[in-house]
Amino acid sequence: DIVMTQSPDSLAVSLGERATINCKSSQSVLNSSNNKNYLAWYQQKPGQPPKLLIFWASTREPGVPDRFSGSGSGTDFTLTISSLQAEDVAVYYCQQYYSTSLWTFGQGTKVEIK
Amino acid sequence: QVQLVQSGAEVKKPGASVKVSCKTSGYTFTTYGISWVRQAPGQGLEWMGWISASNGNTKYAQKLQGRVSVTTDTSTTTAYMELRSLRSDDTAVYYCARTTISGVLSHWGQGTLVTVSS
Repeated sequence: DIVMTQSPDSLAVSLGERATINCKSSQSVLNSSNNKNYLAWYQQKPGQPPKLLIFWASTREPGVPDRFSGSGSGTDFTLTISSLQAEDVAVYYCQQYYSTSLWTFGQGTKVEIK
Repeated sequence: QVQLVQSGAEVKKPGASVKVSCKTSGYTFTTYGISWVRQAPGQGLEWMGWISASNGNTKYAQKLQGRVSVTTDTSTTTAYMELRSLRSDDTAVYYCARTTISGVLSHWGQGTLVTVSS
């Protein structure tokens, strides 16, 4: 199984400041045949289902504000919120979809306002 | 617009089975798959399984293999997840999600709380 490990488990950021969440996979999720990283990011607000933010590691889902960006390749990935807004308070999860038999999520990172 | 509407909350006794439905609309059902993900109280997301709505192919998380089944009814564009031999640690919110061929969970249902208690 590909294990996804996020860091930190939680972080508190001032409004308007940058928030950075890391996600590390136990093996590469880069498909060399198409040069795509099989990595997505989701946002989950309290009492709501998760919402897709980013796929292919850096492609923003339509309608997602451009303050959200994804980067990285291979085994190390980052979700950045460039200027934290109050509505961004949530838990964020990374997910690998590289494995043909089992997709896995990171443990989640809780983002709060400092 | 894409919608996935799940059935209501369930309370089950240990050893029983539960079947959760996920009615979809707003897209061509057979163009996507459906994944099932669960979330125990205060915990993270756990992927359970997936079904292709076009050909019925499935894959399941190994830890649930043998206890979980996912099916679809293309005539009603509805997906189902059945979990058998329920235990207390199966208590969770269960989500269905429209899934691209590559494995991205693009749209989610509202969730169904399943409580397992004697």
